[in-house]
Amino acid sequence: DSGVTQTPKHLITATGQRVTLRCSPRSGDLSVYWYQQSLDQGLQFLIQYYNGEERAKGNILERFSAQQFPDLHSELNLSSLELGDSALYFCASSVGGGPVEQYFGPGTRLTVT
Amino acid sequence: KNQVEQSPQSLIILEGKNCTLQCNYTVSPFSNLRWYKQDTGRGPVSLTIMTFSENTKSNGRYTATLDADTKQSSLHITASQLSDSASYICVVQPTNDYKLSFGAGTTVTVRA
Repeated sequence: DSGVTQTPKHLITATGQRVTLRCSPRSGDLSVYWYQQSLDQGLQFLIQYYNGEERAKGNILERFSAQQFPDLHSELNLSSLELGDSALYFCASSVGGGPVEQYFGPGTRLTVT
Repeated sequence: KNQVEQSPQSLIILEGKNCTLQCNYTVSPFSNLRWYKQDTGRGPVSLTIMTFSENTKSNGRYTATLDADTKQSSLHITASQLSDSASYICVVQPTNDYKLSFGAGTTVTVRA
């Protein structure tokens, strides 16, 4: 158990819908990262927040957005869902934002039908 | 083109045997190179982190090596166990950049 929690574990929704994935980092960690892992692709970095502010952006679509709240939990919002958005979405956290260990959560499996 | 290439894509080994996984990268300059183990459907778990100045790092039966000159890293698994069956992912972090570059992973299957 990494100490990072993600909810829900599974999510099934239809195309065009909007969903919110939630992540609670390990106690004391200020950075939160979001990753997407599709069946035919490796892990893709989406976005990072550090202490409530966006720190780095990766291959995140405009239909996707994220935020980190004052209590440091984070939410990833996915809208206008397409079949290709079906994937595992992982959240990771770390103490700082640099070359430090990232601890991954168990992931949320999103299925878009 | 992915900046982190791993080989082989998959391999099958018998329990108790050793194996070596390869990682070639083009990320430069880089701050650190990591190896993660990911069980099917679960989040990755860190095995080793090496800075650019380190050559080797061990974690139990896992030993990672790094050659920054040739931009190659390897992960050696000694005396494999059934629980080693997983995907092993090589990850490189560029200098002064928070974004990690992930390899596609090597899927290892250990058979009894």
